[in-house]
Formats: sequence, structure tokens, C-alpha cells
Amino acid sequence: NAGVMQNPRHLVRRRGQEARLRCSPMKGHSHVYWYRQLPEEGLKFMVYLQKENIIDESGMPKERFSAEFPKEGPSILRIQQVVRGDSAAYFCASSLFRDRSNQPQHFGDGTRLSIL
Amino acid sequence: DAKTTQPPSMDCAEGRAANLPCNHSTISGNEYVYWYRQIHSQGPQYIIHGLKNNETNEMASLIITEDRKSSTLILPHATLRDTAVYYCIVRVATGGTSYGKLTFGQGTILTVHP
Repeated sequence: NAGVMQNPRHLVRRRGQEARLRCSPMKGHSHVYWYRQLPEEGLKFMVYLQKENIIDESGMPKERFSAEFPKEGPSILRIQQVVRGDSAAYFCASSLFRDRSNQPQHFGDGTRLSIL
Repeated sequence: DAKTTQPPSMDCAEGRAANLPCNHSTISGNEYVYWYRQIHSQGPQYIIHGLKNNETNEMASLIITEDRKSSTLILPHATLRDTAVYYCIVRVATGGTSYGKLTFGQGTILTVHP
């Protein structure tokens, strides 16, 4: 039973380029969450999605960042025109059904994004 | 979500029980207590969660006080691989705009030594 799969594990981009981070949830999970961990800081919630819908994007920066979770395929976190401050570990989590607190989120091992 | 307070660091000898405390004095009746851990460079790992009853699984036990204002995570026989940052998180059950997300604090750095 595969866990949450994130790819790539490491991504290097130059300033101004686009970064696309992919997340395949656990089998049967229809809810996806993205978190960011800046160097030497804690994890911060970014966005919560279910299939084809954004439920909560209160943690997403207003510009350059977007997320989607299409009916088919993985969830994508997209960062346009990356800057050095976007360098971080980005973690994806998934959970079963409509999210309730008795359904834990399970995390992938993250994508380490480095901006040159 | 209710704020949690954890000690910044703890030590434990290998083979002994590790007892990690968490205060959540403002917890509401519909909020669960969750524990996760993060081993260096890996994603957070779910450990256990509970509402008001004590819980046990293959990884750990969770003891919640009767007034629900605090809890303790117990790793019964700590190993070197249990060295990690442990996060206690309180999360609302359903409804509202914030019920999906987990709010991570600074956690407790547990170091298990030989």
C-alpha cells in the first residue's frame, strides 16, 4: 500500500523560472494538503484541496503560487517566477473521505526546492 | 485551533519509556489531540490521535487528562530511531474554515541516547 508520493524529491530552479511540484495521494484518499517548511522553521499550512476544488487556501501567498487537484492525475503545486525566498521543503499530505479530525493526514517525504 | 505548549527538548535513554507532555488548556470540546513526529529531512509521520479517551497503537500510547487540558505521548521502549521532533497538535473536528489544516508549533526535540 503505497504512501503519499511526491516528485521530484529535489528540484533546482533559477530565479524567474517556474517550479511544478507533484503529489500523488494514498490510494482512496480524495483530500490533499500542501505545507511548506522554510529552513530552520516549522511547517506552515498552504492549501487544502479535494478533487477539482480548493477548500482552504488561506496559507497560500497571494501571488505566483497556485494549486490544483484535477479529477485525474496528481495534485500540482505551481510556483511562477521563483525567487530565492521560495527555497524550502514542500510537503504534501492526504486523507480519506471528507476531512474529519478522526481521519489523520499522511505525509509524503517532500520536495526540496532550491533557487539559484 | 487551540494553542499547544511543549517543552523544547527532552532526553531519554534507549530502552526506557519516553513521556512527552503537551498542554492545551484552551482546547474545545470538539477538538482532537494529534501527535506527529518528524525525523530529520523526512516528512511528518502520524503517530496517534484522540478526543478524550486514552488511546494505544503499535507505536505509542496517548494519555489525555480528564479535563482535556493536557496530554502525554508515551513511547514505551524508546530506540535511537525515535530521535525526532515531536509535534502535539489540536485540531477541530468538523466545520469552519480551518478544520482541514494542521497547525504545527515548534514541537519537542526528543533525543534518545545509548
